[in-house]
Amino acid sequence: SAVISQKPSRDICQRGTSLTIQCQVDSQVTMMFWYRQQPGQSLTLIATANQGSEATYESGFVIDKFPISRPNLTFSTLTVSNMSPEDSSIYLCSVGGTTDYGYTFGSGTRLTVV
Amino acid sequence: AQSVTQLGSHVSVSEGALVLLRCNYSSSVPPYLFWYVQYPNQGLQLLLKYTTGATLVKGINGFEAEFKKSETSFHLTKPSAHMSDAAEYFCAVSESGSNYKLTFGKGTLLTVNP
Repeated sequence: SAVISQKPSRDICQRGTSLTIQCQVDSQVTMMFWYRQQPGQSLTLIATANQGSEATYESGFVIDKFPISRPNLTFSTLTVSNMSPEDSSIYLCSVGGTTDYGYTFGSGTRLTVV
Repeated sequence: AQSVTQLGSHVSVSEGALVLLRCNYSSSVPPYLFWYVQYPNQGLQLLLKYTTGATLVKGINGFEAEFKKSETSFHLTKPSAHMSDAAEYFCAVSESGSNYKLTFGKGTLLTVNP
Protein backbone atom coordinates (compact mmCIF):
# COMPACT_ATOMS: atom_id res chain seq x y z
CA SER A 1 0.00 0.00 0.00
CA ALA A 2 1.01 3.63 -0.42
CA VAL A 3 3.15 5.39 2.16
CA ILE A 4 2.02 8.88 3.12
CA SER A 5 4.20 11.54 4.70
CA GLN A 6 2.21 14.30 6.34
CA LYS A 7 3.67 17.38 7.96
CA PRO A 8 3.77 19.11 10.27
CA SER A 9 2.81 16.45 12.78
CA ARG A 10 1.59 19.08 15.20
CA ASP A 11 1.49 22.84 15.59
CA ILE A 12 0.24 25.50 17.94
CA CYS A 13 -0.99 28.60 16.12
CA GLN A 14 -2.33 32.00 16.98
CA ARG A 15 -5.93 32.81 16.07
CA GLY A 16 -6.27 34.72 12.85
CA THR A 17 -3.27 33.08 11.23
CA SER A 18 -3.14 30.31 8.61
CA LEU A 19 -1.42 26.92 8.53
CA THR A 20 -0.59 24.83 5.47
CA ILE A 21 -0.43 21.08 5.87
CA GLN A 22 1.45 18.98 3.35
CA CYS A 23 0.73 15.44 2.22
CA GLN A 24 3.30 13.55 0.13
CA VAL A 25 2.64 10.07 -1.27
CA ASP A 26 5.37 7.70 -2.40
CA SER A 27 3.53 6.80 -5.61
CA GLN A 28 1.02 8.33 -7.98
CA VAL A 29 -2.55 8.14 -6.75
CA THR A 30 -5.81 9.17 -8.31
CA MET A 31 -7.80 10.17 -5.26
CA MET A 32 -6.59 12.21 -2.30
CA PHE A 33 -8.85 13.24 0.53
CA TRP A 34 -8.64 15.57 3.52
CA TYR A 35 -10.42 14.75 6.77
CA ARG A 36 -10.91 16.57 10.05
CA GLN A 37 -11.16 14.86 13.43
CA GLN A 38 -12.36 17.20 16.12
CA PRO A 39 -11.46 16.35 19.74
CA GLY A 40 -13.17 13.16 20.83
CA GLN A 41 -15.04 12.90 17.54
CA SER A 42 -15.01 10.78 14.43
CA LEU A 43 -13.57 11.78 11.08
CA THR A 44 -15.38 14.11 8.73
CA LEU A 45 -14.45 14.52 5.09
CA ILE A 46 -13.48 18.08 4.21
CA ALA A 47 -12.82 17.70 0.50
CA THR A 48 -11.52 15.56 -2.30
CA ALA A 49 -8.35 16.92 -3.88
CA ASN A 50 -8.46 16.59 -7.64
CA GLN A 51 -5.33 16.79 -9.72
CA GLY A 52 -5.53 19.57 -12.26
CA SER A 53 -8.84 20.99 -11.07
CA GLU A 54 -10.46 22.55 -8.04
CA ALA A 55 -11.12 20.46 -4.98
CA THR A 56 -14.61 19.14 -4.32
CA TYR A 57 -15.83 20.29 -0.91
CA GLU A 58 -18.33 18.60 1.38
CA SER A 59 -21.29 20.37 2.87
CA GLY A 60 -20.18 22.75 5.59
CA PHE A 61 -16.68 23.30 4.22
CA VAL A 62 -15.70 26.13 1.89
CA ILE A 63 -12.70 26.91 -0.25
CA ASP A 64 -12.01 30.26 1.39
CA LYS A 65 -11.55 28.59 4.75
CA PHE A 66 -9.82 25.40 3.56
CA PRO A 67 -8.03 26.04 0.26
CA ILE A 68 -6.52 22.90 -1.22
CA SER A 69 -3.86 22.44 -3.85
CA ARG A 70 -3.10 19.30 -5.85
CA PRO A 71 -0.29 20.16 -8.26
CA ASN A 72 0.51 16.55 -9.19
CA LEU A 73 -0.45 12.93 -8.50
CA THR A 74 1.78 12.57 -5.43
CA PHE A 75 1.26 15.77 -3.47
CA SER A 76 -1.45 17.91 -1.92
CA THR A 77 -1.73 20.70 0.61
CA LEU A 78 -4.56 21.84 2.86
CA THR A 79 -4.53 25.34 4.32
CA VAL A 80 -6.57 26.22 7.38
CA SER A 81 -7.18 29.95 7.04
CA ASN A 82 -8.00 32.66 9.55
CA MET A 83 -7.92 30.13 12.36
CA SER A 84 -10.03 30.20 15.49
CA PRO A 85 -9.94 27.87 18.51
CA GLU A 86 -12.79 25.90 16.92
CA ASP A 87 -10.35 24.78 14.23
CA SER A 88 -8.33 22.87 16.81
CA SER A 89 -8.45 19.33 15.43
CA ILE A 90 -6.47 16.57 13.86
CA TYR A 91 -6.29 16.92 10.09
CA LEU A 92 -5.57 13.80 8.06
CA CYS A 93 -4.93 13.16 4.41
CA SER A 94 -5.86 9.90 2.78
CA VAL A 95 -5.44 8.20 -0.54
CA GLY A 96 -7.79 5.66 -2.01
CA GLY A 97 -10.00 4.65 -4.85
CA THR A 98 -8.15 1.48 -5.71
CA THR A 99 -7.97 -1.79 -3.86
CA ASP A 100 -4.19 -1.61 -4.02
CA TYR A 101 -4.11 1.35 -1.69
CA GLY A 102 -7.03 0.47 0.52
CA TYR A 103 -7.60 3.99 1.73
CA THR A 104 -4.32 4.66 3.48
CA PHE A 105 -4.13 7.55 5.95
CA GLY A 106 -1.32 9.85 6.89
CA SER A 107 -0.30 10.13 10.54
CA GLY A 108 -2.21 13.38 10.91
CA THR A 109 -1.52 16.96 11.92
CA ARG A 110 -2.59 17.88 15.42
CA LEU A 111 -3.51 21.56 15.35
CA THR A 112 -4.11 23.68 18.41
CA VAL A 113 -5.30 27.26 17.95
CA VAL A 114 -4.81 29.63 20.87
CA ALA B 1 -26.85 8.38 1.45
CA GLN B 2 -24.47 6.12 3.28
CA SER B 3 -24.18 6.08 7.06
CA VAL B 4 -22.57 4.03 9.81
CA THR B 5 -23.71 3.31 13.34
CA GLN B 6 -21.33 1.89 15.91
CA LEU B 7 -23.14 0.51 18.90
CA GLY B 8 -21.34 1.34 22.11
CA SER B 9 -18.94 4.24 22.34
CA HIS B 10 -16.90 2.35 24.93
CA VAL B 11 -16.30 -1.38 25.27
CA SER B 12 -14.28 -2.87 28.11
CA VAL B 13 -13.01 -6.47 28.12
CA SER B 14 -10.60 -8.52 30.13
CA GLU B 15 -7.35 -9.67 28.63
CA GLY B 16 -7.95 -12.99 26.88
CA ALA B 17 -11.68 -12.38 26.45
CA LEU B 18 -13.59 -12.12 23.20
CA VAL B 19 -13.69 -8.72 21.55
CA LEU B 20 -16.90 -7.79 19.72
CA LEU B 21 -17.33 -4.32 18.26
CA ARG B 22 -20.60 -3.68 16.48
CA CYS B 23 -21.13 -1.81 13.25
CA ASN B 24 -24.29 -1.37 11.20
CA TYR B 25 -24.41 0.51 7.95
CA SER B 26 -26.91 2.06 5.62
CA SER B 27 -26.23 2.10 1.92
CA SER B 28 -28.36 2.25 -1.20
CA VAL B 29 -25.85 0.23 -3.21
CA PRO B 30 -23.49 -2.63 -2.36
CA PRO B 31 -21.06 -1.10 0.08
CA TYR B 32 -17.36 -1.30 0.68
CA LEU B 33 -16.78 -1.68 4.42
CA PHE B 34 -13.74 -0.97 6.53
CA TRP B 35 -12.46 -1.14 10.06
CA TYR B 36 -9.70 1.20 11.18
CA VAL B 37 -7.80 1.41 14.45
CA GLN B 38 -6.38 4.56 15.97
CA TYR B 39 -3.87 4.34 18.77
CA PRO B 40 -3.39 7.37 21.01
CA ASN B 41 -1.79 10.30 19.23
CA GLN B 42 -1.49 8.36 16.00
CA GLY B 43 -3.18 8.26 12.61
CA LEU B 44 -5.54 5.59 11.32
CA GLN B 45 -4.42 2.10 10.43
CA LEU B 46 -6.52 -0.16 8.23
CA LEU B 47 -7.45 -3.37 10.05
CA LEU B 48 -9.48 -5.00 7.31
CA LYS B 49 -11.86 -4.30 4.47
CA TYR B 50 -14.71 -5.91 2.59
CA THR B 51 -15.24 -5.07 -1.06
CA THR B 52 -16.53 -8.19 -2.81
CA GLY B 53 -16.26 -11.94 -2.49
CA ALA B 54 -15.93 -13.83 0.78
CA THR B 55 -18.06 -12.28 3.48
CA LEU B 56 -15.73 -13.29 6.32
CA VAL B 57 -12.73 -11.02 6.16
CA LYS B 58 -9.53 -11.54 8.11
CA GLY B 59 -7.35 -8.62 9.01
CA ILE B 60 -4.23 -7.79 10.89
CA ASN B 61 -3.54 -8.49 14.56
CA GLY B 62 -5.98 -11.42 14.66
CA PHE B 63 -9.11 -9.39 13.92
CA GLU B 64 -11.84 -10.48 11.56
CA ALA B 65 -15.24 -9.20 10.48
CA GLU B 66 -18.22 -10.69 8.74
CA PHE B 67 -20.34 -8.85 6.20
CA LYS B 68 -24.01 -9.75 6.73
CA LYS B 69 -26.13 -8.12 4.07
CA SER B 70 -29.42 -9.25 5.59
CA GLU B 71 -28.51 -7.58 8.86
CA THR B 72 -26.62 -4.66 7.28
CA SER B 73 -23.84 -5.39 9.72
CA PHE B 74 -20.07 -5.65 9.73
CA HIS B 75 -19.10 -6.52 13.28
CA LEU B 76 -15.45 -6.78 14.28
CA THR B 77 -14.26 -9.67 16.43
CA LYS B 78 -11.11 -11.04 17.97
CA PRO B 79 -11.13 -14.30 19.94
CA SER B 80 -8.69 -13.22 22.63
CA ALA B 81 -8.00 -9.62 23.60
CA HIS B 82 -4.49 -8.41 24.25
CA MET B 83 -3.47 -5.33 26.20
CA SER B 84 -2.04 -3.88 23.01
CA ASP B 85 -5.51 -3.89 21.42
CA ALA B 86 -6.58 -0.94 23.55
CA ALA B 87 -7.39 1.81 21.06
CA GLU B 88 -10.20 3.60 19.23
CA TYR B 89 -11.87 1.61 16.47
CA PHE B 90 -13.74 3.15 13.56
CA CYS B 91 -16.08 1.46 11.12
CA ALA B 92 -16.42 3.12 7.73
CA VAL B 93 -18.44 2.66 4.57
CA SER B 94 -17.87 3.70 1.00
CA GLU B 95 -20.26 3.37 -1.86
CA SER B 96 -19.25 2.70 -5.41
CA GLY B 97 -20.17 5.77 -7.32
CA SER B 98 -19.48 8.06 -4.35
CA ASN B 99 -15.98 8.81 -5.64
CA TYR B 100 -14.72 6.50 -2.92
CA LYS B 101 -15.53 8.86 -0.07
CA LEU B 102 -15.47 7.25 3.34
CA THR B 103 -18.20 7.84 5.90
CA PHE B 104 -17.10 6.98 9.42
CA GLY B 105 -18.95 5.84 12.48
CA LYS B 106 -18.45 7.70 15.75
CA GLY B 107 -15.91 5.20 16.97
CA THR B 108 -15.67 2.70 19.81
CA LEU B 109 -13.02 2.99 22.48
CA LEU B 110 -11.77 -0.44 23.49
CA THR B 111 -10.15 -0.83 26.88
CA VAL B 112 -8.50 -4.09 27.92
CA ASN B 113 -8.25 -4.88 31.60
CA PRO B 114 -5.49 -7.08 32.99
